Amino acid sequence: AQSVAQPEDQVNVAEGNPLTVKCTYSVSGNPYLFWYVQYPNRGLQFLLKYITGDNLVKGSYGFEAEFNKSQTSFHLKKPSALVSDSALYFCAVRERATDKLIFGTGTRLQVFP
Amino acid sequence: DTGVSQDPRHKITKRGQNVTFRCDPISEHNRLYWYRQTLGQGPEFLTYFQNEAQLEKSRLLSDRFSAERPKGSFSTLEIQRTEQGDSAMYLCASSYTSTSTGELFFGEGSRLTVL
Repeated sequence: AQSVAQPEDQVNVAEGNPLTVKCTYSVSGNPYLFWYVQYPNRGLQFLLKYITGDNLVKGSYGFEAEFNKSQTSFHLKKPSALVSDSALYFCAVRERATDKLIFGTGTRLQVFP
Repeated sequence: DTGVSQDPRHKITKRGQNVTFRCDPISEHNRLYWYRQTLGQGPEFLTYFQNEAQLEKSRLLSDRFSAERPKGSFSTLEIQRTEQGDSAMYLCASSYTSTSTGELFFGEGSRLTVL
């Protein structure tokens, strides 16, 4: 069965510093991987995806993610964090037959001024 | 707005009552998904439709839950005899199968509170 793990419940970072939110995956075959962000009482917003090709994927709001096949990881990164980046971040893997997404438990990012 | 819309955004009900949520997907999308999200957890898959056909149901979906997509457009999720454990955010998402590597587009969610 396909799954993703987000080992950190919360990540704290100072504004202006780089941030990393970790995700590891377990799939058979080549993975389709996604990051979504959720603000309080809102739905999920798509940030970026990895399907194939370049291991460094760029997405919305200055976020990027690095796909590492040997470490089965897909960590979300941003060079310089903003207070407005504070939100809940979800990593997900897509099941190919149904296109449904299987989500991790989420990581709360707190950016302090 | 051409995104996924859900109604109502918030529903408060008493235990034992029935509730129904509606989802209007992006118009050209043929797949529609329902997820449930409880506080502090990631979204959990409930069911999905391709056009009007319900192709998969999670074991999370008890007999009190039913979902329909009668004309392959909007969908409803009904919960009968609600229980306090049903309190959650119910998320709807849609996608288009020809873009098989595309993302799911989510609505804002319908929050259910069962008293």
